[in-house]
Amino acid sequence: AQSVTQLGSHVSVSEGALVLLRCNYSSSVPPYLFWYVQYPNQGLQLLLKYTSAATLVKGINGFEAEFKKSETSFHLTKPSAHMSDAAEYFCAVITNTGNQFYFGTGTSLTVIP
Amino acid sequence: SQTIHQWPATLVQPVGSPLSLECTVEGTSNPNLYWYRQAAGRGLQLLFYSVGIGQISSEVPQNLSASRPQDRQFILSSKKLLLSDSGFYLCAWSGGGAYGYTFGSGTRLTVV
Repeated sequence: AQSVTQLGSHVSVSEGALVLLRCNYSSSVPPYLFWYVQYPNQGLQLLLKYTSAATLVKGINGFEAEFKKSETSFHLTKPSAHMSDAAEYFCAVITNTGNQFYFGTGTSLTVIP
Repeated sequence: SQTIHQWPATLVQPVGSPLSLECTVEGTSNPNLYWYRQAAGRGLQLLFYSVGIGQISSEVPQNLSASRPQDRQFILSSKKLLLSDSGFYLCAWSGGGAYGYTFGSGTRLTVV
């Protein structure tokens, strides 16, 4: 079975500061991992994904994430936060034979000017 | 390219009224289709998923139902809405595994 834990339901950073959103997964088989972003009253948009190629994955809007098998983690980072990064972020896991995602509970990012 | 359409964007319905939300996908065949709900300030709850026409898996017992009458059409329904059915409903499709999900723009349902 697969599961995802996102530590910190709310994260606040100052504009220009490092963004770090944590995601730990559990999977009995090699996983595919995803980060999605959701702006208010909108659907979820794919930020980036890990599908067993490079462990450091670069996504849209300057975000990146590193797959660390030893730590079962897939944390999302951005070197410098922008006001437009304020949104809800979801981590998700699926296996290559699975039909459904397992989502984390989400992290709400606030960017302080 | 593949696109997903979900409508309506917002809906206000009285308690006890029926519901029908529609989702269609273009540019792909035999997609996996999903309905999720987000209650205010909460995460994503999988309601139904379908891997083919007429094949519906229900994840949560409730007064909602889903149907897939055509390959790229997924419908969420209710005969009688409850106040607790209020929320943000999201449709998604996937080609499986590494493809991930592509989400529709969502429907904000308010039951009054």
